[in-house]
Formats: sequence, C-alpha cells, structure tokens
Amino acid sequence: GENVEQHPSTLSVQEGDSAVIKCTYSDSASNYFPWYKQELGKRPQLIIDIRSNVGEKKDQRIAVTLNKTAKHFSLHITETQPEDSAVYFCAASQDSGYSTLTFGKGTMLLVSP
Amino acid sequence: GAVVSQHPSWVICKSGTSVKIECRSLDFQATTMFWYRQFPKQSLMLMATSNEGSKATYEQGVEKDKFLINHASLTLSTLTVTSAHPEDSSFYICSAGSGRGYNEQFFGPGTRLTVL
Repeated sequence: GENVEQHPSTLSVQEGDSAVIKCTYSDSASNYFPWYKQELGKRPQLIIDIRSNVGEKKDQRIAVTLNKTAKHFSLHITETQPEDSAVYFCAASQDSGYSTLTFGKGTMLLVSP
Repeated sequence: GAVVSQHPSWVICKSGTSVKIECRSLDFQATTMFWYRQFPKQSLMLMATSNEGSKATYEQGVEKDKFLINHASLTLSTLTVTSAHPEDSSFYICSAGSGRGYNEQFFGPGTRLTVL
C-alpha cells in the first residue's frame, strides 16, 4: 500500500517568512495529492491539491509543487501570518473513483508575531 | 457547498456502553464516506470506507464487530462503537467524497469520545 512521509514534524517561523513542508510517497500509481490544515480540535480543511498532470499550483500565498519522478511534493506558504499556525497534513491517493487517502504524520507550523 | 456534519460533537460514556456517531452530507449525495480516528497530536488513521447500500470495508487491524458502520442513505453514515472501553477514547472524524468524480474529501467537524 501507499506510504507517505512528511517533514518536518514541527516548524517555527517568524511572521512574514516563508514555510516549506515536504512529503514523499511510495506508490507510483498515486496521482492526487491534497494538503489539509487542521486547527486544534477542529476538522481538517482542504487548502490546496494537485494532480499528477501538473507540476505546480498556486493559490494566493500557498503553492504546491509535485515531482512525480522523485515521488515528492511540497507545500509552500509565503508571507506567513500568525493565523497560519496549525497542523498541516499531506496526503496521497489514486484519483479514480473514491480511492482512500493516505496521510502523512503532520507538521505543526507555528508562526510567531 | 460540500458541507459535512457530525453528531454529537462530543460524548462521554461509561465503559461497556455503546455510542452512535452520525455523519451527514448536507448539500450533496455521498455514495462513499470514510471514518477516521485521530489520537492527540497524531495523524488521521483510516478506519473504514463506507459505501451506501453495501458493507463497509475495514482497514487492517480495525475490529468490524466493535466499530459498526452503516451507510443506509446517500447522505447518512453512522459509526457505532460497541461496548466502549477507555482505550476507545479518541477523536472520530468522518469525510465524504465531493461527488464530482475527483477524490476530494470534505471532513465533518469530528466527535470527541471519552469513555470513563
């Protein structure tokens, strides 16, 4: 089955800095890679996703890059703000029907004012 | 769009009792829903995939007789924790496919279960 590794487990940055979270996956059949943000005690919220037919996707301050050859994808947050503080999860699945998502272990991002 | 609700949001029960958690897709039909369990400071662990009108598919290591899943309609799936014990205390979250042909999943707000 799929295995997703996520690094780092914690990340502390100053407000305004950029933050990068990296994930690797094992199953070459995976072609859908979402990122979720989860605040304490709340539901995971989909913030951005990417499919294997593109190498990069951007939405305002967040972007995701995908390298299918190397089987890794990354989340980039620019101009971080304190409200970006949360746990971020990457995931991977096959984008066919309703394949299950395999999640990374999560990265706790702390943005200090 | 793509709103998923869960009820209850939290529950405290005595050891040995059963607890039912409901997951509803409010503005779309979800033929497939997923149930996850999350321990503090840990990732989401898939417990089972719930398909409308058929038996759920459980992940390895998940006791199907303990975690009963029913997906009787296109908008409702239920998870019943039978004979709950303190080690079943956890955050249970459901998700539903967006139904748009992609594998987007939208999560419910979760249910915090505490077994005394």
